[in-house]
Parts: sequence; C-alpha cells; structure tokens
Amino acid sequence: QQQVKQSPQSLIVQKGGISIINCAYENTAFDYFPWYQQFPGKGPALLIAIRPDVSEKKEGRFTISFNKSAKQFSLHIMDSQPGDSATYFCAAIDGATGTASKLTFGTGTRLQVTL
Amino acid sequence: DAGVTQSPTHLIKTRGQHVTLRCSPISGHKSVSWYQQVLGQGPQFIFQYYEKEERGRGNFPDRFSARQFPNYSSELNVNALLLGDSALYLCASSLWDINQPQHFGDGTRLSIL
Repeated sequence: QQQVKQSPQSLIVQKGGISIINCAYENTAFDYFPWYQQFPGKGPALLIAIRPDVSEKKEGRFTISFNKSAKQFSLHIMDSQPGDSATYFCAAIDGATGTASKLTFGTGTRLQVTL
Repeated sequence: DAGVTQSPTHLIKTRGQHVTLRCSPISGHKSVSWYQQVLGQGPQFIFQYYEKEERGRGNFPDRFSARQFPNYSSELNVNALLLGDSALYLCASSLWDINQPQHFGDGTRLSIL
C-alpha cells in the first residue's frame, strides 16, 4: 500500500533528447509528489514537486505530468544534458496518516546522457 | 544560506559499537527527518522530529533512536551496530511538519566492519 514503483531502472539518452521516468502508486492518500536528483556522494536534491490537484507542472527543462485517476506520475527532462546524468527518485507523502512528512521513495532511475 | 549540514561525513565502526550522527537543519526549519539509504536503493524513512517531539517512526528496530534540540538540530543514535547498518544516513529539514518540501544534507557514510 505504501509502495511507489519507478521505471525504468536505468536510462541512456542522447544529448538534446527527452528523458522520461515513470512512477506509479497505490495509496490514494498520497498528496504530495516530489522528484529528487542525486549525484554520487551527495544527498538527494529537490528538483520539482506537484500536488494532485494539478495535472502538470513545469520548471525550466523539468516537467511533472500527473494522472490522478491512473495513479501515475512522470518526470520529463527536455533537452537533456550530460550534466543531468544522475540518479532520479520519485517520492510521495501521505499527509493523512499523521506521520507528517514521511517520504516514500521509488527505487531510482540511473540516467546517463551521452554526447 | 547554508543548507542542511551533517557530521561526520564518513565513519567506520565495528559490530556492537554505538554511533551518534549529527544534523543541523536549514535556518528557520523546525522539522528534521532521518533516512537510511543502502547502496543502490532509495532512502528509507527512520524518524521525523518537529519542535523536539517525535512525529513519526519508520520500520526500524529500537536500536535506532533520535532527538531534537531547542535549536532544532538533531542527533541519530544507533546502538549495537550490525553489518547491515552500513549505509548512507541522510538528514532532511523542512519548515514545518506537514507536506513541506524536504531538503537533504549530503549524509554520513557509515561503514561497519
């Protein structure tokens, strides 16, 4: 019930291409969905986040698409650059349990952007 | 502004020992959460503290404990260390306790020999 399933596990994209990472969840009480970027040896950095009352949110080259009925959300990275090569995690928070800000993370996607 | 700071950055311990990890949140943030990240996996929630009170606990044994101080910094304590405790321990802070963006430090890499 608390899982967030993420795919693909790894992704190779050419420079300038579009990177797409997908996540699915089952817990309908999830009400906040952030994406994190993590470089080796560093902590996860918040990229962009969305709440379920919005179907899409765009910040620069990063866009979250959210499908509440399908319980799916995805991250699109436009014009992918070698500097985007990192591991990306989707996450969700269940604000209804009283456990406040417990982030449930997906399993991660290792993105490599080639020249 | 300084981000979330954690100390130490690396630590090597042996089985059965005790360890204390420290975290200073972003200035003005009152909530601190701790996560364990095993290599190749996503972070797993351990604790959340807000205004010095425990607000949530993940599925970790009682060997794990934490506290938050009046200045909102926090400590994570792990007793009777096991090999399986080897991981990156991450601290995250947020303004308050409900559905706020959480900002992570770079973690403490704990290795158990």
